[in-house]
Amino acid sequence: NAGVMQNPRHLVRRRGQEARLRCSPMKGHSHVYWYRQLPEEGLKFMVYLQKENIIDESGMPKERFSAEFPKEGPSILRIQQVVRGDSAAYFCASSPWTGSSYEQYFGPGTRLTVT
Amino acid sequence: AQTVTQSQPEMSVQEAETVTLSCTYDTSESDYYLFWYKQPPSRQMILVIRQEAYKQQNATENRFSVNFQKAAKSFSLKISDSQLGDAAMYFCAYRSRDNYGQNFVFGPGTRLSVLP
Repeated sequence: NAGVMQNPRHLVRRRGQEARLRCSPMKGHSHVYWYRQLPEEGLKFMVYLQKENIIDESGMPKERFSAEFPKEGPSILRIQQVVRGDSAAYFCASSPWTGSSYEQYFGPGTRLTVT
Repeated sequence: AQTVTQSQPEMSVQEAETVTLSCTYDTSESDYYLFWYKQPPSRQMILVIRQEAYKQQNATENRFSVNFQKAAKSFSLKISDSQLGDAAMYFCAYRSRDNYGQNFVFGPGTRLSVLP
């Protein structure tokens, strides 16, 4: 069973461009979480999605950021008009829905660099 | 909202020795989960150990064990017989047990160096 996959692993964008980060959850997992890690800091929650639904986006900036998890295909975190402050590592995690499940499995992260 | 604090930005330990990393948290909930994650230079988040708040017994995983003090809201990680491969960032994390708030709340991390 492949783990959580994220691509690209490294992404370089100039200021003003768009960044698209992809996350394929583990097989059988229908819940996806996105976290952001700024340099020398811990991970900060951004958004929690189920298939075709955003459950909790309380950690996501109100502007320029959006996320989706379509019925088919990977989850996408989109950052429009990137700025230098968006440079960070973005992690995706997935979990199955078993009611009392507490485990989240993390992907290797995408390191975004804005020049 | 829950918060997680790790008061030691950096720690070092001699190889084969024991080290304890501190973590405190703040919550009004009675049932939750606590975790320690390791992040080596590869940046992959690796689960080290987890603890359910309703369990009084401290979790152990080989050389890793925790000291869970629920009343004090403390969750420290003890690494015994430290190895060079243990060098990494260590993050303490809290997760609510209720169905809605399933995201992790992470502490700022402790960078552990292992000296040969």
